[in-house]
Amino acid sequence: DTAVSQTPKYLVTQMGNDKSIKCEQNLGHDTMYWYKQDSKKFLKIMFSYNNKELIINETVPNRFSPKSPDKAHLNLHINSLELGDSAVYFCASSQERSQGGYGYTFGSGTRLTVV
Amino acid sequence: DAKTTQPPSMDCAEGRAANLPCNHSTISGNEYVYWYRQIHSQGPQYIIHGLKNNETNEMASLIITEDRKSSTLILPHATLRDTAVYYCIVRVITGGFKTIFGAGTRLFVKA
Repeated sequence: DTAVSQTPKYLVTQMGNDKSIKCEQNLGHDTMYWYKQDSKKFLKIMFSYNNKELIINETVPNRFSPKSPDKAHLNLHINSLELGDSAVYFCASSQERSQGGYGYTFGSGTRLTVV
Repeated sequence: DAKTTQPPSMDCAEGRAANLPCNHSTISGNEYVYWYRQIHSQGPQYIIHGLKNNETNEMASLIITEDRKSSTLILPHATLRDTAVYYCIVRVITGGFKTIFGAGTRLFVKA
């Protein structure tokens, strides 16, 4: 199936640990994103990345870092996890270099709980 | 801040049309109006988008006012499965990073 897939779906970890969330898209899109949805349900963009450019939302702590081994993957690595990092993290992709299209395609989310 | 404003919640009877409004008074000439919905805690799902003409697909219709300062998403025959949060956003076709999702409208479809 063509999609954006992210793993794991659920992640429970202790404060101070380092964890990664993986994301893969097989849509041939040229840009990938990470969004955070907190308890108030607002979707906030964290990163945008294509082959040439990483754009970082300046409000994102530098404990968060995206890593892209190739254009189909954008993983999210988080160092020294804090309680406030608990949220649902969504990966998304889009085709930014052509007119038309459907905007974002989102993954199903990773629910991170820091205890 | 999001460039769109939507009512926080709406109710609709099953089988009736659901009309979800969105204001985007500061929309730029090259910005499209997109609608997404999020069912429970799943990832947001694309519904429809348009620039200035009204659009229709198998899921919904999008009505954009002539001045483009507001739009309405129409679900013609709402079902219980349409209960979700609906997000209206504006974005340029090639400028995804600047897109900001607001709080959306929580639509409750009731039997």
